[in-house]
Formats: sequence, structure tokens, C-alpha cells
Amino acid sequence: KQEVTQIPAALSVPEGENLVLNCSFTDSAIYNLQWFRQDPGKGLTSLLLIQSSQREQTSGRLNASLDKSSGRSTLYIAASQPGDSATYLCAVRQGNNRLAFGKGNQVVVIP
Amino acid sequence: DVKVTQSSRYLVKRTGEKVFLECVQDMDHENMFWYRQDPGLGLRLIYFSYDVKMKEKGDIPEGYSVSREKKERFSLILESASTNQTSMYLCASSSGAGWGQPQHFGDGTRLSIL
Repeated sequence: KQEVTQIPAALSVPEGENLVLNCSFTDSAIYNLQWFRQDPGKGLTSLLLIQSSQREQTSGRLNASLDKSSGRSTLYIAASQPGDSATYLCAVRQGNNRLAFGKGNQVVVIP
Repeated sequence: DVKVTQSSRYLVKRTGEKVFLECVQDMDHENMFWYRQDPGLGLRLIYFSYDVKMKEKGDIPEGYSVSREKKERFSLILESASTNQTSMYLCASSSGAGWGQPQHFGDGTRLSIL
């Protein structure tokens, strides 16, 4: 069974610092990996999707990398802002059309 | 942009009631999903549907059923609500065109069973 881990569960950074969030998964047979953002009491907003054949994806200040063989992905958020405070979840897509989710990194950006 | 709409943001029901949660997507997606999210447990898949009238059990289907009569609408039914079904429920959809399509989520329904 696929296990997805995000450590640490919570972190705080000063405004302006770069954020680095890690996601690891146990089974490398994935189709893609998706990063989401969740604000308190809200649904999930898709940030980036990396196909299994890709190494990274970029959108604005966000960059996500994927090392499928080692079962790792990293989400970088450059020059963090208070508006980046949220919970970030990663999820891997497997052949059964299901996503396996990590439990998230709760991020606070301190002004 | 994909729009996934859940009919209620907050819902309060009593134990034993039959509860319907509705989800509508506007992108003609083949796949639709129901999850529940609980602190410390993360997101867990309840049911998903890959076509009209087709459904497949997820990881925690007990106590739930689903209905998909039209492509754009996917309903989650709590047959006889219990307090342990108090949770945040999230609906998602994705295109069936290939394996690499992202899932898009609604805003969630926070359900309380008293």
C-alpha cells in the first residue's frame, strides 16, 4: 500500500525566506504527483502537477521537483509572503485512478 | 477554470437521518470522487465514479452510498447518519482523458451529526 509522508507537520518561516516542503512516497510506480494548497475550512486548490516522466514543474514563485526513483518530491516557494500561510498537501496518482495523500505541511509565514 | 460546486458549506443533521451531499462539476469530467477529511487521518477516499451509473468503493465505503445519474452530478448518501460521520466532505473531479489528469476539488461540506 502506498504511504505518503510529509515532514514536518508544521513549520513557521519569516516573510521573505524561501520555503522548502518535502514529500516522500514508498511505491515509485506512480503516474503523477500533485501539490495542493488548503486554507482553513476550505477545499483543496491544485498548485502543480508533475507527470512521472517529468523532473519539475514551475508556476510563478512555485517550483516542484520529482525524483521518482527515490520516492521524493520537493515544493519550493520563493520569497514567502504572509498570504502563503496554509496547509500544503502532496498526493500521488497510481494506476487504480486513486490519489494517495500525505497529511500535509501546515505553514505559517511570519510578517 | 474547472468549477466543482458542493451544495452546502455547512450542514447539521441528527443521528439516524438520511443525508444527501451533492456535487456538481461543469467540465464534462468522467471521474468524480468523494473524500472525507479528519484531523490526524488526512483525506480518505469513500467512493468514486468513472462514468454515469458506474461506481467503485474507496477505502472507507461503510455507511455510505453514491449516485451518479448524470455526468455532471455525483451524490453522496449517508443512509443512517451517525456521530462518527461528523467530518469535512470533499468532492473532486478529473478528466478521463489519459492517466495524467489532475483532480479538482470543491470547497467542501462540513457536516455535523448530533
